[in-house]
Amino acid sequence: ETGVTQSPTHLIKTRGQQVTLRCSSQSGHNTVSWYQQALGQGPQFIFQYYREEENGRGNFPPRFSGLQFPNYSSELNVNALELDDSALYLCASSLRGPDTQYFGPGTRLTVL
Amino acid sequence: EDQVTQSPEALRLQEGESSSLNCSYTVSGLRGLFWYRQDPGKGPEFLFTLYSAGEEKEKERLKATLTKKESFLHITAPKPEDSATYLCAVQSADRGSTLGRLYFGRGTQLTVWP
Repeated sequence: ETGVTQSPTHLIKTRGQQVTLRCSSQSGHNTVSWYQQALGQGPQFIFQYYREEENGRGNFPPRFSGLQFPNYSSELNVNALELDDSALYLCASSLRGPDTQYFGPGTRLTVL
Repeated sequence: EDQVTQSPEALRLQEGESSSLNCSYTVSGLRGLFWYRQDPGKGPEFLFTLYSAGEEKEKERLKATLTKKESFLHITAPKPEDSATYLCAVQSADRGSTLGRLYFGRGTQLTVWP
């Protein structure tokens, strides 16, 4: 059974650019949640996707958007990057929304 | 606003010295409380889920317990490989909260030295 995978591992962008992060959910899981983790902080909920629909959103601006595909993989898109967007971006999948979430290794985004 | 507070922020233990980490929470109806382990620069690794007060779960040297307001992660005779950040998170049963959304604490950074 394959766990949650994310790509790329690391990414460096400059302010104002756009970025796309990718996540493949664990086999059989139809719910994907995205979190942002700043250095020294706990992960903060960005949004959740269930069967290709956004199912809830945290306190993040609209320039953070996402997609979920029929195979339940997902993308996180961030437009107009700001310095404060530098963080570890985590994807987690679960069998259903309230079930245990299993995390991927994360994508480290640095915005210069 | 749901809140999770973990203490201490950092803990240094000598190998074999048992201790406990604390997670206190305020949530509108607890659906579940989760413990994760996170190594530097990596994603959180699932350890335990607790659903109701009085519940306990164990895995190797770790034991998690839950009361109505807090959870403890007890570490018995730790080894250097137990060094990591331990994160606590809760899920709310409130109808206004996204089903399954996790609210995390800032974590306890545990260092076990030989």
